[in-house]
Amino acid sequence: GQQLNQSPQSMFIQEGEDVSMNCTSSSIFNTWLWYKQDPGEGPVLLIALYKAGELTSNGRLTAQFGITRKDSFLNISASIPSDVGIYFCAGQEWSNSGYALNFGKGTSLLVTP
Amino acid sequence: ETGVTQTPRHLVMGMTNKKSLKCEQHLGHNAMYWYKQSAKKPLELMFVYNFKEQTENNSVPSRFSPECPNSSHLFLHLHTLQPEDSALYLCASSQVGQGDGNEQFFGPGTRLTVL
Repeated sequence: GQQLNQSPQSMFIQEGEDVSMNCTSSSIFNTWLWYKQDPGEGPVLLIALYKAGELTSNGRLTAQFGITRKDSFLNISASIPSDVGIYFCAGQEWSNSGYALNFGKGTSLLVTP
Repeated sequence: ETGVTQTPRHLVMGMTNKKSLKCEQHLGHNAMYWYKQSAKKPLELMFVYNFKEQTENNSVPSRFSPECPNSSHLFLHLHTLQPEDSALYLCASSQVGQGDGNEQFFGPGTRLTVL
């Protein structure tokens, strides 16, 4: 699979602050997905992006599919303690066996009250 | 049950044991996946099943053997594992087809420890 570069690797912020993280790739993807994973659980889908330039919101979360189709960012506004977790980006491409997801290494978010 | 379920949630096994992980999806999807999640590494795709047929095996050692008896169930049979196989094993499902977004939905995972 393709290597995704996700940054930052970790963030330590205060409640109420806004957060921004991004993913870049050397390859073009058809779809970008953002997941959140809590300790001991599987990743939960937050936002899916299907078209270059698309900007999509889900509550306090906003994500964009880069124009070049090689990058995406996720913003969290007015962070709260329950936003703590690991956020993963995933780029989806079509292969001979169907759709394949390539994941970033994750951004670990800590929020202090 | 809703979504994707996995059992057991935790498993400790010796290197000579044989065990199986089970995944069930209640979403009506036609594709299922096994991933391995190790510390400090991205999720690694192990196996893909589309319409019950295995379509991808990402060079996974033969000590891991998948089985997909129908579109709702997926198993991962384990035998003679190594300590480095200790990880969180995640199952996912999606709907693959023209016009479908193919968003993958994950189960809670099985935390496997090989002694």
